Amino acid sequence: AQKITQTQPGMFVQEKEAVTLDCTYDTSDPSYGLFWYKQPSSGEMIFLIYQGSYDQQNATEGRYSLNFQKARKSANLVISASQLGDSAMYFCAMRGSTGGGNKLTFGTGTQLKVEL
Amino acid sequence: NAGVTQTPKFRVLKTGQSMTLLCAQDMNHEYMYWYRQDPGMGLRLIHYSVGEGTTAKGEVPDGYNVSRLKKQNFLLGLESAAPSQTSVYFCASWTREQGAGGNTIYFGEGSWLTVV
Repeated sequence: AQKITQTQPGMFVQEKEAVTLDCTYDTSDPSYGLFWYKQPSSGEMIFLIYQGSYDQQNATEGRYSLNFQKARKSANLVISASQLGDSAMYFCAMRGSTGGGNKLTFGTGTQLKVEL
Repeated sequence: NAGVTQTPKFRVLKTGQSMTLLCAQDMNHEYMYWYRQDPGMGLRLIHYSVGEGTTAKGEVPDGYNVSRLKKQNFLLGLESAAPSQTSVYFCASWTREQGAGGNTIYFGEGSWLTVV
């Protein structure tokens, strides 16, 4: 079974500061993918960044970077230079690879609030 | 999200009524998923499908049935709706054929269901 844990129900950050959202995972799959999604108050799920378990380098997409530490089973999202529009719920997710049919499992999310 | 369409977007049901949510994708994706989202619980997998004609149970399948008669459609049925099924439902899809960096999982915009 695979599991995603997000231990920060809510986070505050000052505008223009960097913020790290924590995510740890557990899986027995040899190959897996890790995702971060943003869900604004309007409700849609917005893909932010992806990290493959065999990728040698940490993924980056603009102001988003994924701090992947395989031995620690962590996949923290770093948002640099926070903007007011970054206020949203953020979900970490993992897709396995074996007989589980490539299930996509989500954490419970972190509500981020960016303040002036 | 272009490519994954959920209908209906909003519905109010009475306890005991039945209904079907339709998820349609035009990207020829083989994998499709149904999730429900409840406050503080993230997205929980209800059922999923790894291809036309196949379905499997996820984390919270009780009270729901699914069918994947056509590759592009994944239907979620509530045979006898209960207030505990009040939730926001998301459909998602992806394909294994994506190349490096193309691991995006596409989501529908969500369906808000209230059972009274």
